[in-house]
Amino acid sequence: DAGVTQSPTHLIKTRGQQVTLRCSPKSGHDTVSWYQQALGQGPQFIFQYYEEEERQRGNFPDRFSGHQFPNYSSELNVNALLLGDSALYLCASSFFVGGLVYGYTFGSGTRLTVV
Amino acid sequence: AQSVTQLDSQVPVFEEAPVELRCNYSSSVSVYLFWYVQYPNQGLQLLLKYLSGSTLVKGINGFEAEFNKSQTSFHLRKPSVHISDTAEYFCAVSVKAAGNKLTFGGGTRVLVKP
Repeated sequence: DAGVTQSPTHLIKTRGQQVTLRCSPKSGHDTVSWYQQALGQGPQFIFQYYEEEERQRGNFPDRFSGHQFPNYSSELNVNALLLGDSALYLCASSFFVGGLVYGYTFGSGTRLTVV
Repeated sequence: AQSVTQLDSQVPVFEEAPVELRCNYSSSVSVYLFWYVQYPNQGLQLLLKYLSGSTLVKGINGFEAEFNKSQTSFHLRKPSVHISDTAEYFCAVSVKAAGNKLTFGGGTRVLVKP
């Protein structure tokens, strides 16, 4: 049973460019959350998707946007990249029951470097 | 809003010695508590979690943690560490009212020395 799959594993972009990161959730999971982990810090919540809608959002600018597809996979898009966007981007999948999220499982992440 | 403080950024420890990683949280409502481990260039792996019930929680790889509501703490312990326990450890909380998003501490780097 495959866990959470993220692609690509590494990415180098130039300031001002746009990037799309992808996440396939664990089988049986319907909710996807994205986290940003800067070097030497703990992960920070970006947003969460359930039923193809953004359900919650952390303190990130509108340059960060996402999408969830009918098969529950998800994309994270970042526009107008800044040097400070360099980080490990983690996807976590889970399942949503009765207003709560269960079974949080993290992928290995995408390492984004902005130069 | 909730917050998590991990009091030690780095903890050096000798192999087969015990280790304790400290975690304190702040929240105005009831929380769920988690400890995750991150090995170099990898994602996060759940070590253990407290949702309700017994305040002593046992996890994988011989780790355990104790929830102390009065001190708002959730310290992680292992009686005897191995070289393979060298990693970054993160404490996290989630709040039912906030849709279970995880709020993480800054992490504690454990370096096990032979």
